[in-house]
Amino acid sequence: DQQVKQNSPSLSVQEGRISILNCDYTNSMFDYFLWYKKYPAEGPTFLISISSIKDKNEDGRFTVFLNKSAKHLSLHIVPSQPGDSAVYFCAATGNFGNEKLTFGTGTRLTIIP
Amino acid sequence: DAGVIQSPRHEVTEMGQEVTLRCKPISGHDYLFWYRQTMMRGLELLIYFNNNVPIDDSGMPEDRFSAKMPNASFSTLKIQPSEPRDSAVYFCASRRRGPEAFFGQGTRLTVV
Repeated sequence: DQQVKQNSPSLSVQEGRISILNCDYTNSMFDYFLWYKKYPAEGPTFLISISSIKDKNEDGRFTVFLNKSAKHLSLHIVPSQPGDSAVYFCAATGNFGNEKLTFGTGTRLTIIP
Repeated sequence: DAGVIQSPRHEVTEMGQEVTLRCKPISGHDYLFWYRQTMMRGLELLIYFNNNVPIDDSGMPEDRFSAKMPNASFSTLKIQPSEPRDSAVYFCASRRRGPEAFFGQGTRLTVV
């Protein structure tokens, strides 16, 4: 049973445009969400997170939006750059970050120069 | 800090052989996680430890898999006997209290 779902396995975006990656979750106990970025032959690295007490968190070109009623979050990258090409994993946890991380299946983002 | 260190980076073994993957967490981190990455299931949690004690091993696929953490600076994941369907990238991650986990570079396991 996949509690965190990323329904788009891949996404291609023109350089300079906005990239939007989506994530849905089913477990109502999740209250903290993270995005990780993964390059080939490397481990995932933390990118940005959001607590359920907020609906938006911004860090430079990266913004995460959380819609609790829809159990949906999204990652916006503006403007997209070639170095953003990677696999992005959505993750969720409970107890405000003190439980284990449950990951989605990932979305491969390709930025086209 | 060197980060989470995993060894080996690549492992190719024959079906039926024993495989041992190793992990050194970041010093001071009291949580350690073992994940497996596959196309179908993404990053799948196998087991995690807190202060060297296994907390949740519900993700371990079957009895062929076992994990130990004899001390705060070392953990192993063992597969015996290995099967071709075990081929995947295995990641170790560690963290202090709080959500952000730091991952190692992974071990790519191929069972032929």
